[in-house]
Amino acid sequence: EIVMTQSPATLSVSPGERATLSCRASQSVRSNLAWYQQKPGQAPRLLIYGASTRATGIPARFSGSGSGTEFTLTISSLQSEDFAIYYCQQYNNWPPTTFGPGTKVDIK
Amino acid sequence: EVQLVESGGGLVQPGGSLRLSCAASGFTFSSYEMNWVRQAPGKGLEWVSCISSSGTTIYYADSVKGRFSISRDNAKNSLYLQMNSLRAEDTAVYYCARDKSILEAFDYWGQGILVTVSS
Repeated sequence: EIVMTQSPATLSVSPGERATLSCRASQSVRSNLAWYQQKPGQAPRLLIYGASTRATGIPARFSGSGSGTEFTLTISSLQSEDFAIYYCQQYNNWPPTTFGPGTKVDIK
Repeated sequence: EVQLVESGGGLVQPGGSLRLSCAASGFTFSSYEMNWVRQAPGKGLEWVSCISSSGTTIYYADSVKGRFSISRDNAKNSLYLQMNSLRAEDTAVYYCARDKSILEAFDYWGQGILVTVSS
């Protein structure tokens, strides 16, 4: 089973600032990596798939990069609605597909 | 508009059973692989099970193998999860989620349904 790790666990950012979230896989997942956003009491929402492709309706301020074992989600200028928990998921080797533990982005 | 609506959750005693349902609309249900994903209170996401569009290929997480059974009825646009021998550690919000493509990311999720296993 591929183990996903995310850092930092919590990221405190001021509105308008840039946020950079990291995700690492225990072995190569090529570009088979997705990012999700989850707000309290809501279901996760797909942001990025294929490591760098934005899902339908996702604003351009969200971007993904990386391949192999190291990935990054960047939010170029944080808006109030972006404060949430972000999860990465590998779907290269499954079953099982596995998620990272999440990074909470909160207001500085 | 794609919609996934879960039902069937609730409180059940350890060792008991529960059947979750997920009603799908707004897309051709029979063309998509479907999943169940759960989230224990205050915890992260855990994939539970996957079923192919035709229902012929099924996968389970080790944590539920032998206790849970996934199925679908394409005529009714519905996905199911039969949960037996429930344990306290199965307590979670259960989401149904659509695969964007075969064994891919999950592009649509239901709102989730809470299952609580407690005496």
